[in-house]
Amino acid sequence: GQNIDQPTEMTATEGAIVQINCTYQTSGFNGLFWYQQHAGEAPTFLSYNVLDGLEEKGRFSSFLSRSKGYSYLLLKELQMKDSASYLCAVQLGSSASKIIFGSGTRLSIRP
Amino acid sequence: EAQVTQNPRYLITVTGKKLTVTCSQNMNHEYMSWYRQDPGLGLRQIYYSMNVEVTDKGDVPEGYKVSRKEKRNFPLILESPSPNQTSLYFCASSFQNTGELFFGEGSRLTVL
Repeated sequence: GQNIDQPTEMTATEGAIVQINCTYQTSGFNGLFWYQQHAGEAPTFLSYNVLDGLEEKGRFSSFLSRSKGYSYLLLKELQMKDSASYLCAVQLGSSASKIIFGSGTRLSIRP
Repeated sequence: EAQVTQNPRYLITVTGKKLTVTCSQNMNHEYMSWYRQDPGLGLRQIYYSMNVEVTDKGDVPEGYKVSRKEKRNFPLILESPSPNQTSLYFCASSFQNTGELFFGEGSRLTVL
């Protein structure tokens, strides 16, 4: 079967750094996505990792280790607007058809 | 503006009353998909379509139907809704070879 694990909830302080982990065991792997979803809204794309290593995009970075089945999303200089759920998703094949999602990590930022 | 549009956004209905949730995208995407989102379960794929007249089941297709007669539209049909189909539904689209999904705003469905 396919399995994607990420913590259910996390809390962090405004201005700090937080790391959200994701581990996966899947029958195929083409790449890993991170999406952000504010309460009551649609998920929006944050990052996509295919190769091992760190991809940096402003305050957000995403890391992938294919051999370990592991990824993390790093958020720096946290702002209150970063309070949201963060969804880890694995693309199983080369096309868009098979993308499976983890249950999401709800991140709360306190002042 | 590039977007995925779903309607209705909110709906309360009763068991057995057929309903359709529409989805339309203006980005010329080949791929479209329907997900349902339930607490603790994340997004689960219901059906997807790789192109016009090509549809396939996702992980939770029971009780749903879809069609893809035009590239831009991908309606989700509940022929006889049941309370276990109460959920938040998202339509998504992308170019076939990228996988970056663009989501609609969601349709919250309650079946009594």
